[in-house]
Amino acid sequence: RKEVEQDPGPFNVPEGATVAFNCTYSNSASQSFFWYRQDCRKEPKLLMSVYSSGNEDGRFTAQLNRASQYISLLIRDSKLSDSATYLCVVREGSNYQLIWGAGTKLIIKP
Amino acid sequence: NAGVTQTPKFRILKIGQSMTLQCAQDMNHNYMYWYRQDPGMGLKLIYYSVGAGITDKGEVPNGYNVSRSTTEDFPLRLELAAPSQTSVYFCASSYSTSNYGYTFGSGTRLTVV
Repeated sequence: RKEVEQDPGPFNVPEGATVAFNCTYSNSASQSFFWYRQDCRKEPKLLMSVYSSGNEDGRFTAQLNRASQYISLLIRDSKLSDSATYLCVVREGSNYQLIWGAGTKLIIKP
Repeated sequence: NAGVTQTPKFRILKIGQSMTLQCAQDMNHNYMYWYRQDPGMGLKLIYYSVGAGITDKGEVPNGYNVSRSTTEDFPLRLELAAPSQTSVYFCASSYSTSNYGYTFGSGTRLTVV
């Protein structure tokens, strides 16, 4: 079983729609969670950290469900510029290593 | 503010050749990392460093070496290139390992033929 698992997609979504995707993690001791965005042939960039109580940044909302060991990302009023691959990242305890999911590809269509 | 600078952006190596991927950051970050990204896979940590003079192996260190003589620079050395090392390599740095995000360089696309 993969340590961090994501639906690879692609999710094809019309502009203006709301889209959500999840990421599951296997280690219940995981402590820190992040969503990164990666554009085609570019480097990953931090989108947002995910806090236990959930958090929002503009059109983006992240949720953490420790009981079921998943995090989610919700994008409202999607824009063409949201088209990218979204990477789920988990840090386990005090380990320096981040565990990266393979990403979910999102395509926003006009 | 340049952030993390990686060179070269592209490189084709023949089997058995050696090369060094350069990485420099100007944010005074103590923590630096080298990752490789293969198609359809998550990033895999090759080596990391928590400060000048300190390096440690990550998940996939075989075939690579690193050094950290200064806070700014963290080069990655491939000694005997193999086709399995064909990948995109990213260098990253961070202020700490807590909830701070990583800043990545723009990557090096390496092909070994």
